[in-house]
Amino acid sequence: AQTVTQSQPEMSVQEAETVTLSCTYDTSESDYYLFWYKQPPSRQMILVIRQEAYKQQNATENRFSVNFQKAAKSFSLKISDSQLGDAAMYFCAYQGAQKLVFGQGTRLTINP
Amino acid sequence: GAGVSQSPRYKVAKRGQDVALRCDPISGHVSLFWYQQALGQGPEFLTYFQNEAQLDKSGLPSDRFFAERPEGSVSTLKIQRTQQEDSAVYLCASRPDRFGEQYFGPGTRLTVT
Repeated sequence: AQTVTQSQPEMSVQEAETVTLSCTYDTSESDYYLFWYKQPPSRQMILVIRQEAYKQQNATENRFSVNFQKAAKSFSLKISDSQLGDAAMYFCAYQGAQKLVFGQGTRLTINP
Repeated sequence: GAGVSQSPRYKVAKRGQDVALRCDPISGHVSLFWYQQALGQGPEFLTYFQNEAQLDKSGLPSDRFFAERPEGSVSTLKIQRTQQEDSAVYLCASRPDRFGEQYFGPGTRLTVT
């Protein structure tokens, strides 16, 4: 069975600085997707960024980028120029055939 | 267009009551998923539909949990004889086809007293 591990329960960063959230996963599949979701207090899961495993190039979305290391099964999220609106729970998720497997989450606090 | 909607947003049930949670996916989305999120945890998979067919129900925690999607659009998650451990947020997600990104609804917070 696939597992996803987020080793940082909480992280904090100064506004405008850069922060990196860690994620590792375990799978025997070769074709899969990886996602980072943001969940503010409203509970709505919002997709931040996605990565297809067959793509070697790291995905980027504006201030958000990933460092995807397939051999190491590592998928970290870098947030540049942190903003107060980035404060939320962040979940790393793996998708193989169908369902998503989530990590435990990292609570990100932005200090003004 | 409209996103995934769920109702009710909040539900309080007395232990032993039956509850029904509704999910309206994005129109035309083939795949529909239910997840359970306990307080302070990541969501966990419950069940998956492709159109009206329930293809995976391996995550349902007991036979008190039942889900249906009879016409391939709206889905209902039913919990019979609710227990305190059923207290959680129930998230619904839909996807336009068999692969790719899932779009989530706002969730239903169930509290069993």
